[in-house]
Amino acid sequence: NAGVTQTPKFQVLKTGQSMTLQCAQDMNHNSMYWYRQDPGMGLRLIYYSASEGTTDKGEVPNGYNVSRLNKREFSLRLESAAPSQTSVYFCASSWAGRTEAFFGQGTRLTVV
Amino acid sequence: AQTVTQSQPEMSVQEAETVTLSCTYDTSESDYYLFWYKQPPSRQMILVIRQEAYKQQNATENRFSVNFQKAAKSFSLKISDSQLGDAAMYFCAYPPQGGSEKLVFGKGTKLTVNP
Repeated sequence: NAGVTQTPKFQVLKTGQSMTLQCAQDMNHNSMYWYRQDPGMGLRLIYYSASEGTTDKGEVPNGYNVSRLNKREFSLRLESAAPSQTSVYFCASSWAGRTEAFFGQGTRLTVV
Repeated sequence: AQTVTQSQPEMSVQEAETVTLSCTYDTSESDYYLFWYKQPPSRQMILVIRQEAYKQQNATENRFSVNFQKAAKSFSLKISDSQLGDAAMYFCAYPPQGGSEKLVFGKGTKLTVNP
């Protein structure tokens, strides 16, 4: 049972490049999330999806787009990367909001 | 705004001793969950313990326990018999009101365990 799988684990981008972070869960969870973690800031929600076919903005959505491809997969896209998007990104899933979330291993993204 | 406050950016404890990490939160709901997550240097987010607000009894998981003060909106984590492997960032989290489908996290407390 893999849980939540994120790819890639590390990535370096040049300013202006685009990329997609992939996330898949095999726990049949309804809700999925993308967070970013910056030093001293904790985890801040970028986007979430309460169920297949729905997405909604979190606290820091600017510069990102998401796709809930199916119940298992939730991707995060950076259309034009900026140095301010240098961060560690976590995908997570849960049965529903208000229950504990299970996390992927994170992606360390550096934008130069 | 829904907030979770961890007032101790860093804490240290001697091996085998006890340490308490504090967390306060803001909600007007009566039924909700609260969580403590651990993030070791490996970066993995690991659920340590959960508390259901409607339960009077404080949650316990082996050496980890909580002191839940509902009226004070306080949810502290006590680690007994601290071990070197407890060294990590610890985050308090809860799902805010309004049926929103997300967890809100505090900024974290970095715990150092001294041998």
